[in-house]
Amino acid sequence: DQQVKQNSPSLSVQEGRISILNCDYTNSMFDYFLWYKKYPAEGPTFLISISSIKDKNEDGRFTVFLNKSAKHLSLHIVPSQPGDSAVYFCAASARETSGSRLTFGEGTQLTVNP
Amino acid sequence: DVKVTQSSRYLVKRTGEKVFLECVQDMDHENMFWYRQDPGLGLRLIYFSYDVKMKEKGDIPEGYSVSREKKERFSLILESASTNQTSMYLCASSFQTRTNEKLFFGSGTQLSVL
Repeated sequence: DQQVKQNSPSLSVQEGRISILNCDYTNSMFDYFLWYKKYPAEGPTFLISISSIKDKNEDGRFTVFLNKSAKHLSLHIVPSQPGDSAVYFCAASARETSGSRLTFGEGTQLTVNP
Repeated sequence: DVKVTQSSRYLVKRTGEKVFLECVQDMDHENMFWYRQDPGLGLRLIYFSYDVKMKEKGDIPEGYSVSREKKERFSLILESASTNQTSMYLCASSFQTRTNEKLFFGSGTQLSVL
C-alpha cells in the first residue's frame, strides 16, 4: 500500500524553464511534507518542507505547494538548472500519531538539458 | 558538516551468508534509521532507533535485525541473506525531536546477494 505516490518516474526540461514535480498521498493523517534530492552515488539531502497549516513554502528557486483537499503537493523549480538533475523524493510524516517517521514516494528522475 | 559514514560502498555476498552493514554518525544524533531503496518503490524503512539499545520495526523488518550498542553506531544485520535482499541500503540520522524530519543520509551500500 503506497501511501505516498510519485506517478512520474522521469521528467525532462530545458534549462531556464520551470520544472514541476508532483506527489499524491492517501493518508489523511499526514501533516508534514518534505522533498529530498538525490544525486548518483550520494545519499538523499533535504531540500524543502511544508506543514499542513500552509499551502505554499518558498526557498529561492524552489517552491512547494500543498493542496490538502486533493491530497496533492508539487515542487516547482524556477529557473531549472543542469545541476538540478537528480532524483527527487517526496516524503510525508504524521506528527500527531507517528512523530517524525517518514514515508517516501518512489522518486522522480529530473533531467535538465542545457 | 554532519557526516554519516557507511562502511562499504559495494558488497557482494552469497545466499545464506550473515551480512553486517555498519553505519557511523559524528553529530551526536539520537535517531538513526536504515532504509532500502529499490527502483519503483522509493525508500522503505527497515528499522530505526531513538536511543542506544532501543530499536523499532519499520515497514519492512522481515529478514533483518539491528544493533545499537553505542550512540554513534547503528548496524543492520541480514541473518541469512537472500537474493531478494539485493538492494541499495541507506543509513540516516537526525536529532531527536518530535518534529524533526530532517534526515542526514550516508552515501549508501549497494548489496548484491548471489
